[in-house]
Amino acid sequence: RKEVEQDPGPFNVPEGATVAFNCTYSNSASQSFFWYRQDCRKEPKLLMSVYSSGNEDGRFTAQLNRASQYISLLIRDSKLSDSATYLCAVTDFNKFYFGSGTKLNVKP
Amino acid sequence: GAVVSQHPSWVICKSGTSVKIECRSLDFQATTMFWYRQFPKQSLMLMATSNEGSKATYEQGVEKDKFLINHASLTLSTLTVTSAHPEDSSFYICSARQLAGENPYEQYFGPGTRLTVT
Repeated sequence: RKEVEQDPGPFNVPEGATVAFNCTYSNSASQSFFWYRQDCRKEPKLLMSVYSSGNEDGRFTAQLNRASQYISLLIRDSKLSDSATYLCAVTDFNKFYFGSGTKLNVKP
Repeated sequence: GAVVSQHPSWVICKSGTSVKIECRSLDFQATTMFWYRQFPKQSLMLMATSNEGSKATYEQGVEKDKFLINHASLTLSTLTVTSAHPEDSSFYICSARQLAGENPYEQYFGPGTRLTVT
């Protein structure tokens, strides 16, 4: 079983739409959680950390559900520039485990 | 802050030659650096964890004699792909973890090195 699982998508949405991604993890001892954004042929860039209480950064909201072992990312009012692959990452103090990424295509 | 550089950004080499990739943390000290490999349309796969002043820890299935890692200082780690073959062609990305910071488990990624072995 993979440490971290994501729906690969693609999610094709119109501009202005709200879209949500989920990511499940298998290790209940995981301590820190992140969402990264990766553009084609580029390195991942940290989008936001995910805290137990949930956190929001502009149009982006991340939430953690420890009981069900998943994290989510909600993007409101999608922009064309949001088109990318979104990777979730989980760490147990030692290693990072990445999901395979969810591809988002925002269309005009 | 928290900038990581990699050099070279891309390299083409002939089969059988060796290639060295450098990873530097430019504005912070990193006791731990990580090396990942990413094939097209796949996720980042951790190859090894590099700790300053000690031997790297390799993931299962990664040949330590083929992928030589040296972490000589708190700001530099190198990955040498020895006797490269076409199947080693991939996107190699390093990341570094800050000693101190708001979230010490955050990793900062270098821009990656695209290796093509002909």
